Amino acid sequence: GAGVSQSPRYKVAKRGQDVALRCDPISGHVSLFWYQQALGQGPEFLTYFQNEAQLDKSGLPSDRFFAERPEGSVSTLKIQRTQQEDSAVYLCASSPELRFNYGYTFGSGTRLTVV
Amino acid sequence: DAKTTQPPSMDCAEGRAANLPCNHSTISGNEYVYWYRQIHSQGPQYIIHGLKNNETNEMASLIITEDRKSSTLILPHATLRDTAVYYCIVRVPAGGTSYGKLTFGQGTILTVHP
Repeated sequence: GAGVSQSPRYKVAKRGQDVALRCDPISGHVSLFWYQQALGQGPEFLTYFQNEAQLDKSGLPSDRFFAERPEGSVSTLKIQRTQQEDSAVYLCASSPELRFNYGYTFGSGTRLTVV
Repeated sequence: DAKTTQPPSMDCAEGRAANLPCNHSTISGNEYVYWYRQIHSQGPQYIIHGLKNNETNEMASLIITEDRKSSTLILPHATLRDTAVYYCIVRVPAGGTSYGKLTFGQGTILTVHP
């Protein structure tokens, strides 16, 4: 596709429910990032993939958060036993290669509300 | 990556130039300055980046001081659609041991009014 696609656009989950958020990066993009953005704050890094390899997961807030990119294209961010503090917009970004002169392309995000 | 300081908010009249400052006094020699913006309900959008020379593209101009401790993003003729949060980020280029993680601050809320 022309851009980074994220689904669903909105998700309401009951506390304790598991959720899965999907990211379709631009075809052929090597790098893929997940960010979490709380209301009124800047995006915060969660995890990074280079192709199928998860090279950095230092930003994942707890072991309830899990991300995968098994074939080096589509990525899924899974949150188990959701809590109210997980309510945020989850953003995905991709980049064609590890070169400094490429800006990352972000999706529009998934807004997760835990009730 | 070096930290940046931006004013929390700015106003600009439509059609006038918007000059958004950023302080990055602890920037290292190999760190670039990047600007992104985020329009309401959208993901951040890349605008421009530079190392030490001034840069211009179809969206904006980037002016970096000679000592590289600060920079200014210039939108030459602001429109209502430029109302957004603007983020100034400094980081080393991707490659080698760095994969180019972006660290966002609070940004500047730019409001363009008629």
